[in-house]
Amino acid sequence: SQKIEQNSEALNIQEGKTATLTCNYTNYSPAYLQWYRQDPGRGPVFLLLIRENEKEKRKERLKVTFDTTLKQSLFHITASQPADSATYLCALEGSQGNLIFGKGTKLSVKP
Amino acid sequence: DTEVTQTPKHLVMGMTNKKSLKCEQHMGHRAMYWYKQKAKKPPELMFVYSYEKLSINESVPSRFSPECPNSSLLNLHLHALQPEDSALYLCASSQRQGYTEAFFGQGTRLTVV
Repeated sequence: SQKIEQNSEALNIQEGKTATLTCNYTNYSPAYLQWYRQDPGRGPVFLLLIRENEKEKRKERLKVTFDTTLKQSLFHITASQPADSATYLCALEGSQGNLIFGKGTKLSVKP
Repeated sequence: DTEVTQTPKHLVMGMTNKKSLKCEQHMGHRAMYWYKQKAKKPPELMFVYSYEKLSINESVPSRFSPECPNSSLLNLHLHALQPEDSALYLCASSQRQGYTEAFFGQGTRLTVV
């Protein structure tokens, strides 16, 4: 069955550093992969979508890569700020067109 | 307007109560979703409506009953819930099922006592 893994449950970094989050998947060949941000008690907020034929996508301080050979996506936040502290979820399209989420990585950026 | 609005934000109900969660979007999206999220877990899909027809029911117990009165509204009717049903219930919409990003509401925090 389709499996999505976000290897780090939590990631603590210093303000100004680059945060790198990992999403791996197995038994699946998604047409695209998405990243969402979720703050406590709130709904996820869409950040970026990357398609299988795209190697890299950027949006302001965010960068996503997609390696279909390794079955992996990396999500980078450069010049991180305390306001970036949140849980970041990767999501793949399921066989029925629904989103399947990874467990998320809780990022804490310390001043 | 890129908002998905959910009401109420918080709900406490007894196991014999009947209540409804409501979700509204005015982005012209034709797919709407209900997700359930427990603490420290990812959102789990419950139902999908596509063009106002139930497209996916992820084997959800019948005490949860979805309804899509029109293309902008989605309801989740609750009856005879159990304490383990306490969770954050999230509504989402997308242009169509399986298309690009989903827009989520803020969720309803449900507590069953």
